[in-house]
Amino acid sequence: AQSVTQLGSHVSVSEGALVLLRCNYSSSVPPYLFWYVQYPNQGLQLLLKYTTGATLVKGINGFEAEFKKSETSFHLTKPSAHMSDAAEYFCAVSATRRALTFGSGTRLQVQP
Amino acid sequence: ETGVTQTPRHLVMGMTNKKSLKCEQHLGHNAMYWYKQSAKKPLELMFVYNFKEQTENNSVPSRFSPECPNSSHLFLHLHTLQPEDSALYLCASSQDTGGEVHFGNGTRLTVT
Repeated sequence: AQSVTQLGSHVSVSEGALVLLRCNYSSSVPPYLFWYVQYPNQGLQLLLKYTTGATLVKGINGFEAEFKKSETSFHLTKPSAHMSDAAEYFCAVSATRRALTFGSGTRLQVQP
Repeated sequence: ETGVTQTPRHLVMGMTNKKSLKCEQHLGHNAMYWYKQSAKKPLELMFVYNFKEQTENNSVPSRFSPECPNSSHLFLHLHTLQPEDSALYLCASSQDTGGEVHFGNGTRLTVT
């Protein structure tokens, strides 16, 4: 079985502040992990992914995430928020070649 | 055109109508998916097709009927829908199930 929990349905930060979006997963086998971003009236766009190898993964738009097996976490970070980062972010997990299971999403607001 | 294309972008239908959603992927992928995105609910996987064969049907009501004539095209036939079926329907594709998924921009469906 596989599942994802995203802590915090809404996160608000000031422009220039650190962004931290939390994701914990459950998987009975080593997982593949993903972060997606969704802007209004659009589909989901891949930000970054972890499959194997280096546990710190860099993605587009300055985002990165670290796979921590001991904590079953894959939190998304960005050192300095930009207004254009305001969107909804989804964490997803896949195990044993099954279709992705998505978390419930975190809406990021960036205050000027 | 590249990526995953969905038509129409918006659809309003009555409960007695029959309509179809269309999805086409230009990425050479083997797997295609239908997801339902409702307000305040996690993304719900509806159907998975791998090499044109349906591999997952997550207890979706029979008023939703998928069709996958080839690896590039996916349809969702709709009939006698309910107002609670109003949602954003997202099509996606991937090289294999469990891998990185590419999404279309979705069809916003409103059932009146």
